[in-house]
Amino acid sequence: DAGVIQSPRHEVTEMGQEVTLRCKPISGHNSLFWYRQTMMRGLELLIYFNNNVPIDDSGMPEDRFSAKMPNASFSTLKIQPSEPRDSAVYFCASSPPTDTDTQYFGPGTRLTVL
Amino acid sequence: AQSVAQPEDQVNVAEGNPLTVKCTYSVSGNPYLFWYVQYPNRGLQFLLKYITGDNLVKGSYGFEAEFNKSQTSFHLKKPSALVSDSALYFCAVRGPFTGGGNKLTFGTGTQLKVEL
Repeated sequence: DAGVIQSPRHEVTEMGQEVTLRCKPISGHNSLFWYRQTMMRGLELLIYFNNNVPIDDSGMPEDRFSAKMPNASFSTLKIQPSEPRDSAVYFCASSPPTDTDTQYFGPGTRLTVL
Repeated sequence: AQSVAQPEDQVNVAEGNPLTVKCTYSVSGNPYLFWYVQYPNRGLQFLLKYITGDNLVKGSYGFEAEFNKSQTSFHLKKPSALVSDSALYFCAVRGPFTGGGNKLTFGTGTQLKVEL
């Protein structure tokens, strides 16, 4: 089975540009999580969805960040406008309804904002 | 509030020796505890979890963890370390609960380095 798929794997952009990160969860999983990882702040949960509905977005840094999950097989995390401090590795993870405690992580998107 | 603490940023151990990566927790209610591992340039991978039952939990790759309620600890252990175990290890706790789904709160991570 394919794991969690994220695209792109690497993104380099300039400050002020819009960035869209994409995630395809494992088929049949109904919870989806977006995390950000940096050396300074470690692993931070940004937002998570359950059955395509956002449950907790308290970790979203500010209004420049937005996330959507239009269907069970796709989610996006958008940053507009991007800033250098947004540079990080962004992970998407999903969980199945039969084992809601175990999260399966994607390979991550390494974002660099110049 | 749910939280976990990993007191060591890095642990060094020689191959073949036993290893321990420490984690302490603070929760309201029964703790649901987890260990994840992150290899370089990869996402996190689930290793094991404690929900209830035996205090010694066995997981992937020969790892195990010991739940100690009196010490509020959940240390990760392996009897004989391998160089390939070198990675970043995260302890996590379920919660805080915010209205649905199972959110995990992760620790800051411990870098394990196993040397020949």
